[in-house]
Amino acid sequence: GAVVSQHPSWVICKSGTSVKIECRSLDFQATTMFWYRQFPKQSLMLMATSNEGSKATYEQGVEKDKFLINHASLTLSTLTVTSAHPEDSSFYICSAPGQSSLGYTFGSGTRLTVV
Amino acid sequence: KQEVTQIPAALSVPEGENLVLNCSFTDSAIYNLQWFRQDPGKGLTSLLLIQSSQREQTSGRLNASLDKSSGRSTLYIAASQPGDSATYLCAVLTNTGGFKTIFGAGTRLFVKA
Repeated sequence: GAVVSQHPSWVICKSGTSVKIECRSLDFQATTMFWYRQFPKQSLMLMATSNEGSKATYEQGVEKDKFLINHASLTLSTLTVTSAHPEDSSFYICSAPGQSSLGYTFGSGTRLTVV
Repeated sequence: KQEVTQIPAALSVPEGENLVLNCSFTDSAIYNLQWFRQDPGKGLTSLLLIQSSQREQTSGRLNASLDKSSGRSTLYIAASQPGDSATYLCAVLTNTGGFKTIFGAGTRLFVKA
């Protein structure tokens, strides 16, 4: 079935540094990738939608310059958290329209901790 | 604005019990509703997807129903097992300002051996 590989699964970084998260569709082409963020005991919130070859669409309240999204190929979308701060610590997860009857396929998520 | 609510927020049951998780949504104009399982610190596993034209879907011990007009869905888990312990999320796919999946906050389930 459709698989989205997300890396890294967890990362700890210092405040002020940047972190890149990758999501790859392994056996299908993903023209669209959704990026979500989940704070502890809260629901997943859509941050942005990336589209291959064009600019990402950001949800209201999400800073474009802080969360850089690149979707340069049909199998790779990246989210870069720039100048990370402790309040950016969260669980980030990507999702692409899948090929199965189960709709969207999710990556395994990245737990980011900024210290 | 579409909002998805899940009740209860947490649930603890003894092994073998049948249980029902509830999900409600405010806007009935959805394309589909999906139930996911999330284990601590991990990604999502899709369990069942119900298209807007469907009433229910079944997979093994899981059965999900959808009443779009009343904005409700239930996930029924039969003969619960400790391995079912996880957070269960429901999500609806809408097309308001572009296709979006809106998630509920989840129900944390703990099945005691």
